[in-house]
Amino acid sequence: DVKVTQSSRYLVKRTGEKVFLECVQDMDHENMFWYRQDPGLGLRLIYFSYDVKMKEKGDIPEGYSVSREKKERFSLILESASTNQTSMYLCASSPIGAPNSYEQYFGPGTRLTVT
Amino acid sequence: AQSVTQPDIHITVSEGASLELRCNYSYGATPYLFWYVQSPGQGLQLLLKYFSGDTLVQGIKGFEAEFKRSQSSFNLRKPSVHWSDAAEYFCAVVPNDYKLSFGAGTTVTVRA
Repeated sequence: DVKVTQSSRYLVKRTGEKVFLECVQDMDHENMFWYRQDPGLGLRLIYFSYDVKMKEKGDIPEGYSVSREKKERFSLILESASTNQTSMYLCASSPIGAPNSYEQYFGPGTRLTVT
Repeated sequence: AQSVTQPDIHITVSEGASLELRCNYSYGATPYLFWYVQSPGQGLQLLLKYFSGDTLVQGIKGFEAEFKRSQSSFNLRKPSVHWSDAAEYFCAVVPNDYKLSFGAGTTVTVRA
């Protein structure tokens, strides 16, 4: 069974802290994605990566960075957490090659609270 | 602007009743279309997808969706709802690249 795991289900951090959210997939997928989910806004793409060490900005990259050193792992970094980054963060992965590349597999999410 | 619209924020339905969730998109060409479900505390799970061909698509858990090009819609249906269908449902499209664009979601409450 395909699996995307995220390092924490719940996380509480203080304003100004550096925060790492980790995502691991076991499906040998090339593409990986980070979204944030907020009520009434659906899911918004922060960053995605189509290969190791490759990354592209999504729709809302400000305040975030990412790292992909290994194919199976994609990290989201909040350099200096702020209260407006309190949200649910979802990681996803997909294979390459249309149309299968459009079918994304999601992790359970990390609910981050910044106080 | 290109968008995905789910007009209903919240729907309440009785167990055993039918369910229909609406989704409209505003892209020029026919995009790839998806419905995802998110149970409480869980990630998103793919219910069904439409790429081409038959416009009535069957998915998991007894769900189906119909693509109507003339209405730019991809509505999700289930004939008889179970209590376990209480969740949030997201419509998503891929207009012309491999990035999913999501609607705001519809929360479904099932009453006994």
